[in-house]
Parts: sequence; structure tokens; C-alpha cells
Amino acid sequence: GQQLNQSPQSMFIQEGEDVSMNCTSSSIFNTWLWYKQEPGEGPVLLIALYKAGELTSNGRLTAQFGITRKDSFLNISASIPSDVGIYFCAGQEPGNQFYFGTGTSLTVIP
Amino acid sequence: GAVVSQHPSRVICKSGTSVKIECRSLDFQATTMFWYRQFPKQSLMLMATSNEGSKATYEQGVEKDKFLINHASLTLSTLTVTSAHPEDSSFYICSAKRLAGADTQYFGPGTRLTVL
Repeated sequence: GQQLNQSPQSMFIQEGEDVSMNCTSSSIFNTWLWYKQEPGEGPVLLIALYKAGELTSNGRLTAQFGITRKDSFLNISASIPSDVGIYFCAGQEPGNQFYFGTGTSLTVIP
Repeated sequence: GAVVSQHPSRVICKSGTSVKIECRSLDFQATTMFWYRQFPKQSLMLMATSNEGSKATYEQGVEKDKFLINHASLTLSTLTVTSAHPEDSSFYICSAKRLAGADTQYFGPGTRLTVL
């Protein structure tokens, strides 16, 4: 199935820095979801977006549903060591099919 | 709310045996459950979509006779890996979509299958 373009593939940052990652698609989505996965665990939902232009925050995390409905970004402010993990975006087409991004591996250096 | 459990969390079996993995939505009813497979450092690969009371829809390249899916109730789906072989060793993750409310997938914690 389709996979979303997610970038960057990996990031190595200093503690305290801000992080930004994004996902793009060739098709229009009704829903964008952002997940975090830690080793040996299932993905945990961070933020869900349901309307074009929607900007939603969850603590230090902020995500936006792009106006074109073909992209979304996730920002993490003032990163801390426990932010380490792999972040996945997921989009849902109008026909209900979900697609996942390739993941962004985040390493935070104390 | 929106907790999904999987059992077992880890299983080691001999080649040729069958393994059943359960996925339960603990505090909500799920119209649809999904089964994924994940290889190390890779994204989730959708194997099949199951709707309560009907046959699962398998993705291209996934053998339906090898990966049997049963979705007997609105809170339980099972994946049975039949006649498992070492190449079936992987991390299997289920997710569930609510019966009511917004379209969001909630994931289970995953099952690590090792076939010797």
C-alpha cells in the first residue's frame, strides 16, 4: 500500500532544542494522526487532526493539518531525553484506508 | 480511555506449530481492527483489516491461509499464524478503530514472535 513521505528520517539533537518533522502525501486525507513508538512497544497516539488548517497541541507537542489536506507537521519544543523514539504520521483517506509514514527516529543528546 | 491489549506479549515457538495472538479493546467497542507486522527499524506494514462478524480483508502478498484472522466480537480479534516458520518471526501489532466517535486508530503493545 501507499506509504507517506515522512522527513527527516532521523534526527540527533541536543536536549532543549526544538524539533520539527513533516509528512506529505500525493492524495487528500480526512484525518492526520501522529504516533510515538518506543522500542518493543506499540505506537502511542500523540495528536489527532480532523480538519484542514487545524492546529492542535499536546503539552510540548504541536501538530497541524495542512491546508491542502496533503501534509502535516509535528513540532516538539524544548526536547528532553524521554522524547527519544520513532515518530510516525498516519493519514486516513476519504475511503477509510489508513496509510503510515516511514518514521522519524529521534535521538536527544543530554 | 481507548486502551488496546495484546496477548501474549512475547512468544517463542518451534517451526511448524501454530500461534494465536489476541487483540482486545478494553474500554471501547471497535468496528474495525487492523493487524500489522513490523520489521526492525521499519514502518508498520498492514497485513489485514477485520470487521466484526465478517471476513478479513488481506493486503496484497499476505497469505490468508497462513495468517488466519477472526473478529468474533466488537472487542476481540485474533490472529493465528499457522505452521509458523522462522521467516514469520516478527513484531505483530494490532490496532482498533472505535465504533463511535472520531476516526482514530489505537494500537496494542505488540507481540514479539520468535520461531525457532
